[in-house]
Amino acid sequence: KQEVTQIPAALSVPEGENLVLNCSFTDSAIYNLQWFRQDPGKGLTSLLLIQSSQREQTSGRLNASLDKSSGRSTLYIAASQPGDSATYLCAVRHNTGGFKTIFGAGTRLFVKA
Amino acid sequence: DTEVTQTPKHLVMGMTNKKSLKCEQHMGHRAMYWYKQKAKKPPELMFVYSYEKLSINESVPSRFSPECPNSSLLNLHLHALQPEDSALYLCASSHFGTGRTDTQYFGPGTRLTVL
Repeated sequence: KQEVTQIPAALSVPEGENLVLNCSFTDSAIYNLQWFRQDPGKGLTSLLLIQSSQREQTSGRLNASLDKSSGRSTLYIAASQPGDSATYLCAVRHNTGGFKTIFGAGTRLFVKA
Repeated sequence: DTEVTQTPKHLVMGMTNKKSLKCEQHMGHRAMYWYKQKAKKPPELMFVYSYEKLSINESVPSRFSPECPNSSLLNLHLHALQPEDSALYLCASSHFGTGRTDTQYFGPGTRLTVL
């Protein structure tokens, strides 16, 4: 059974700092991995999707990497801003069982001005 | 346009009521999803429709009844719910089985309170 873990559970950093969020998964037979952000009480916003054959994806100040063999992904945020404060969730998707998606518990990020 | 819309935004219902949640997308996606999210927890998959057919039912109680009347619409019919069913219900959509990137796009959710 796939388990997705995110470390740390919470993170507080000063504005301008570069930071790394971690996601690990137990079953490496994934189809893709997607990173989302969620503001309190809101829906999820897609940040980056990495297919199983890819190693990384970049969008603006965000860079996500995937090491499928070791069951790890990282989300790198450069030059953090107070507007980056949110919960960041990673989700893995399998190519069996109907493309089921399993989420990690998330990392709550607070960027101090 | 990468928008998924959900109505209503908020819903309060009694345990004997029947209500429905609605989700709509016009991105040409042929996969649509219902998730349930409790406070401070990650979303949990409930149902997946692919090409308007139910492909995943994650052992959800029968008081939740999904319906996909066409490729743009997804409904979740609610009946005889329990207070523990109070949660944020999220709808998502994506491409499916077409070789295109199947990024899931989420709606804003319906905040459901069962009294």
